[in-house]
Amino acid sequence: DVKVTQSSRYLVKRTGEKVFLECVQDMDHENMFWYRQDPGLGLRLIYFSYDVKMKEKGDIPEGYSVSREKKERFSLILESASTNQTSMYLCASSLLQAPNEKLFFGSGTQLSVL
Amino acid sequence: KQEVTQIPAALSVPEGENLVLNCSFTDSAIYNLQWFRQDPGKGLTSLLLIQSSQREQTSGRLNASLDKSSGRSTLYIAASQPGDSATYLCAVRLETSYDKVIFGPGTSLSVIP
Repeated sequence: DVKVTQSSRYLVKRTGEKVFLECVQDMDHENMFWYRQDPGLGLRLIYFSYDVKMKEKGDIPEGYSVSREKKERFSLILESASTNQTSMYLCASSLLQAPNEKLFFGSGTQLSVL
Repeated sequence: KQEVTQIPAALSVPEGENLVLNCSFTDSAIYNLQWFRQDPGKGLTSLLLIQSSQREQTSGRLNASLDKSSGRSTLYIAASQPGDSATYLCAVRLETSYDKVIFGPGTSLSVIP
């Protein structure tokens, strides 16, 4: 079975802390994505990556950065966490040169910033 | 700009009923449309993917149709069960930026025993 694994299901952090959210996929996918999901706002794309060391801004990149040092791992970094970054964070992956391939999601990380 | 909407926002049905969830998108230039299920506090699980050249896909009690020219898709669930209770989201992958996916807001389904 294909798998996208997010390292934490729940995280509680304090304002100003540096936060790392990790995502690993075992499908050899080129594309990896980070979304956040908020009630009433749906899923919004933060960043995506189509190759190692490559990254592209999504719709709401402010306050976030990403790292893709290995193909299977895509990290989301909150440099200085703020309360408005309390959200459900979802990682996903897909093949690059196959636009009709499915998007696979991890189980999500519920982050609370106090 | 591509926009995806889903109607209704919430739906409650008795067990055993057949039901239809609707998804609309404004720009027909899509590669595919995918239906997902999301349980509370969890990630998204892919149910069905319809390629732009296809009209429908079936998996068990689920059938998804796509009318690309009119910007509509439906997800039909036959003989609903309480375990079908979840939020259902549709998402379109754009032709203009094939690695970008636009999600609808979801339909929250409750199947009452």
